[in-house]
Amino acid sequence: DIQMTQSPSSLSASVGDRVTITCRASRSIDSYLNWYQQKPGKAPMLLIHDTYSLQSGVPSRFSGSGSGTEFTLTISSLQSEDFATYHCQQSYSTPPTFGQGTKVEIK
Amino acid sequence: QVQLVQSGAEVKKPGASVKVSCKASDYTFSSYGISWLRQAPGQGLEWMGWISGYSGRTNYARKFQGRVTMTTDTSTRTAYMELRSLRSDDTAVYYCARDSSPYSSTWVDYWGQGTLVTVSS
Repeated sequence: DIQMTQSPSSLSASVGDRVTITCRASRSIDSYLNWYQQKPGKAPMLLIHDTYSLQSGVPSRFSGSGSGTEFTLTISSLQSEDFATYHCQQSYSTPPTFGQGTKVEIK
Repeated sequence: QVQLVQSGAEVKKPGASVKVSCKASDYTFSSYGISWLRQAPGQGLEWMGWISGYSGRTNYARKFQGRVTMTTDTSTRTAYMELRSLRSDDTAVYYCARDSSPYSSTWVDYWGQGTLVTVSS
């Protein structure tokens, strides 16, 4: 199975900050990398699929980049509703695997 | 809009089975798959398997093979996940989610609300 590792595990940031989360795969996954946002007690929500493609309805302050084994999720200007846990997931091979999550907290 | 509505919370004893349902609405069921995932308390997301809404073909994670069965009832647009021989470490929130492809597991764009399954003696 492909191992996905996110960094950092958690971060503290202020409203308006630029935030970057990294996801590394144990081997190349081409561009088959997806990002989800999860708020406490709620189901995850798809933000970005296939590295770059913003899901319909997701604000443009969210963006994704990368290829091969290293990927990033960037929030250009953090808003109060963005405080949540972010998960990356590879869909290159079965089983799809997730990173351990990155919790974004209020500074 | 697209909705996936799951059955309610369950409490089971070790060794028992649980069957969770997931009723889909407002999309063409056969054009997508359904993935099942779970999240243990305070843990990350774990993919359990996938079923095609088109063909009923399944693909299970190796960890659950022999213990899980995923089915669909296309007449009611409902997917089911049955997990047998429950252990305490199966305690988790179980999610169904619409997979973007009816041919293989890819990315999921709509999620059910989750079903808490508690395994305790």
